[in-house]
Amino acid sequence: QKEVEQDPGPLSVPEGAIVSLNCTYSNSAFQYFMWYRQYSRKGPELLMYTYSSGNKEDGRFTAQVDKSSKYISLFIRDSQPSDSATYLCAMSANAGGTSYGKLTFGQGTILTVHP
Amino acid sequence: DSGVTQTPKHLITATGQRVTLRCSPRSGDLSVYWYQQSLDQGLQFLIQYYNGEERAKGNILERFSAQQFPDLHSELNLSSLELGDSALYFCASSVLSMGSGNTIYFGEGSWLTVV
Repeated sequence: QKEVEQDPGPLSVPEGAIVSLNCTYSNSAFQYFMWYRQYSRKGPELLMYTYSSGNKEDGRFTAQVDKSSKYISLFIRDSQPSDSATYLCAMSANAGGTSYGKLTFGQGTILTVHP
Repeated sequence: DSGVTQTPKHLITATGQRVTLRCSPRSGDLSVYWYQQSLDQGLQFLIQYYNGEERAKGNILERFSAQQFPDLHSELNLSSLELGDSALYFCASSVLSMGSGNTIYFGEGSWLTVV
């Protein structure tokens, strides 16, 4: 079983829809939770970063972390065709130490927002 | 543009050969990470260097090695290449200071095809 599970989709929604992306994990040591967006054959781009449990909002994006359930979510409001990409969740177990770059990624969810 | 530069962008090589991938981190970033992305394994952490020293190791094969030079650029050496080594190899960098948050910037990747 993988440490991080993410439904690969693909997910197709109409423009303006609310998108919900989710990941579950098994390693209770994970403390830092991130969402990356990756366009085709490009490098992952950091969207949201959350420490421990709670919610974080940035524009149309909201990240939620529920450590008790080992479950994280990313919500995209008023989705746009430009949001079409692969969304990757990532997690780290290190509390700001020198090896916190060791991220464990989900498989990624392919999202298409059609006009 | 993340500021992380990787070369070459694409390369095709034969089985058994050796290649070197090069990465220049963002200005001021002391830490460099290497990741491998393939269709079946997703994005996997390979290795991390901080200011010239190896700090963390992931699922990196013995045929692969890396180093970080005094000017902070890094190279990933892949030898005795096999068909299964075909993948997108990403370099990422971060400042890695305690108060800077967990922001890791990815380059555009080097696409390796082994034939």
